[in-house]
Amino acid sequence: SSELTQDPDVSVALGQTVRITCQGGSLSSYYASWYQQKPGQAPILVMYGLNNRPSGIPGRFSGSSSGNTASLTITGAQAEDEADYYCNSRDSSGDLYVFGPGTKVTV
Amino acid sequence: QITLKESGPTLVKPTQTLTLTCTFSGFSLNTFGVGVGWIRQPPGKALEWLALVYWDDDKRYSASLKNRLIITRDTSKNQVVLTMTNMDPADTGTYYCAHRPLLVFGESVFDPWGQGTLVIVSS
Repeated sequence: SSELTQDPDVSVALGQTVRITCQGGSLSSYYASWYQQKPGQAPILVMYGLNNRPSGIPGRFSGSSSGNTASLTITGAQAEDEADYYCNSRDSSGDLYVFGPGTKVTV
Repeated sequence: QITLKESGPTLVKPTQTLTLTCTFSGFSLNTFGVGVGWIRQPPGKALEWLALVYWDDDKRYSASLKNRLIITRDTSKNQVVLTMTNMDPADTGTYYCAHRPLLVFGESVFDPWGQGTLVIVSS
């Protein structure tokens, strides 16, 4: 079973704000990264570290973390943000990597 | 520009060994802090991290699959090879390789990813 947990489905109205969460014991020690995956496509990195957006990712994506929970927020969701979102981090040992089960975001 | 591309068989039989190759460009696997990882995704299911090889040839494997996986690198060819033994229909899915950049402590990043290669395990 995954060491990270995510809500399976989240809905958001066009232009509204949605927060996707990722919970896991390792997140109190290690940062999460977030990946967006659309049907038939490879995942792309949308957030990493404390609150770092890769080049080309819109500013409406932001990240935060508190305790055992990491969050990805989309402020002013657009139709093109409809996708599966996966969190990723280290495991509790810090040596290995783990992905969350994913959250399907419907706009 | 960093690119990665996976290659290998589309169809393998149960109990066979799968060998996948990741051919990359735009970075060197001799560069401090860099790595290449493999991640897979069964149809309609979540991503699962499998293995990673670092710039210094250190290797890490998924705890649940470590007895079946071997990851190797060929820096002269800019390739990383993943071998998975004793294939089962449950191993069917898309297999991705991804670049792991130099990170600050505590980070976990795979960027970018290859397009993925579909592997079907069936007799």
